[in-house]
Amino acid sequence: KQEVTQIPAALSVPEGENLVLNCSFTDSAIYNLQWFRQDPGKGLTSLLLIQSSQREQTSGRLNASLDKSSGRSTLYIAASQPGDSATYLCAVYNKETSGSRLTFGEGTQLTVNP
Amino acid sequence: KAGVTQTPRYLIKTRGQQVTLSCSPISGHRSVSWYQQTPGQGLQFLFEYFSETQRNKGNFPGRFSGRQFSNSRSEMNVSTLELGDSALYLCASSLAVGATQETQYFGPGTRLLVL
Repeated sequence: KQEVTQIPAALSVPEGENLVLNCSFTDSAIYNLQWFRQDPGKGLTSLLLIQSSQREQTSGRLNASLDKSSGRSTLYIAASQPGDSATYLCAVYNKETSGSRLTFGEGTQLTVNP
Repeated sequence: KAGVTQTPRYLIKTRGQQVTLSCSPISGHRSVSWYQQTPGQGLQFLFEYFSETQRNKGNFPGRFSGRQFSNSRSEMNVSTLELGDSALYLCASSLAVGATQETQYFGPGTRLLVL
């Protein structure tokens, strides 16, 4: 059974700081890994998707890496801004006997202070 | 292109009642998945539908059921509601099952409160 863990559970940083969020998963037979952002009371916004054959993906100030063999991914946020404050969720996509599913971590709650 | 829509957005029910939630996927998307989010358990997979067929099911009791219509719209039903069913229910759509190069697009969710 796939398990996804995110560290730290919460993070508070001053504006402008670079930061790293960590995600680990137990079953390396994944098809892709996604990072999502969730604002309070809202749905999920996809930030980055890394295919299992890829090592990293970049979008603006965000960079996500994937090491499938060790079951780890990191999300790097450069020059953080107060608008980055949200919960960041890591999810791995597994194909199962029939169908597929995303397995989520518990999330990292990020606060960027002005 | 319109995103994933979910109705209703908020719902208050009492224990023992049943509830039906609706999800309309992005136009052209044929796969719909449902997830439950609670503070204690996080985001958990409920079911996945494709072409009106349930393709995968999470570890939830039989009180949780769903279906998908020919236009890809999906509904989930929870019968005999319990206090622990209070949660944010999220629907996600993608082009197809196992679309590994595709992200899943999530709706805003339906927040259910059971009293």
